[in-house]
Amino acid sequence: SQQGEEDPQALSIQEGENATMNCSYKTSINNLQWYRQNSGRGLVHLILIRSNEREKHSGRLRVTLDTSKKSSSLLITASRAADTASYFCATASISGYSTLTFGKGTMLLVSP
Amino acid sequence: DTGVSQNPRHKITKRGQNVTFRCDPISEHNRLYWYRQTLGQGPEFLTYFQNEAQLEKSRLLSDRFSAERPKGSFSTLEIQRTEQGDSAMYLCASSLATGGGGLSYEQYFGPGTRLTVT
Repeated sequence: SQQGEEDPQALSIQEGENATMNCSYKTSINNLQWYRQNSGRGLVHLILIRSNEREKHSGRLRVTLDTSKKSSSLLITASRAADTASYFCATASISGYSTLTFGKGTMLLVSP
Repeated sequence: DTGVSQNPRHKITKRGQNVTFRCDPISEHNRLYWYRQTLGQGPEFLTYFQNEAQLEKSRLLSDRFSAERPKGSFSTLEIQRTEQGDSAMYLCASSLATGGGGLSYEQYFGPGTRLTVT
């Protein structure tokens, strides 16, 4: 079963704009991860944020985590056409944290 | 290329046939995972190994599915008596778990095997 639910399901922006994707989950987590999947390619790990962290940065990516609201957001700044992909959040639950539960993803389209 | 590799990349089979997929993880990784992904959905966990031990199986993994990792290196996933509902992308991932406990670490995914059951 899918635990994470990304919002929006699809997002279309112009190059240079920022893109924000949200993820909500249901159970207590050990950590939350964001992955990117390009058409025809496998998933690529972007960033991991632990349950005791509130914000994390990696290049143009900023992830926030609010465990009280069971939600996370991924911000991509100054987007590029190459950022076009599906983005998934994945949670590692506090009880079975060796495995990941993925959401349905947000499909991001960045137009030149 | 030292990433995760999967073979074959595509498989078309008739309903009722058996199929086997192979995954070669990143060589130093001790954990190996199998997922299934259908169109418009995120990956769904099937099973995972730590070295050669299969530590967890999802309820999605019916008795027609079996996975092995005999020497703690590559893994195979076999589906017996395939059904049309088995059509999906089968993804393999690996990770390096160090220290004790079951902490989840970032996973490195292969390109997947796309199965079509006709």
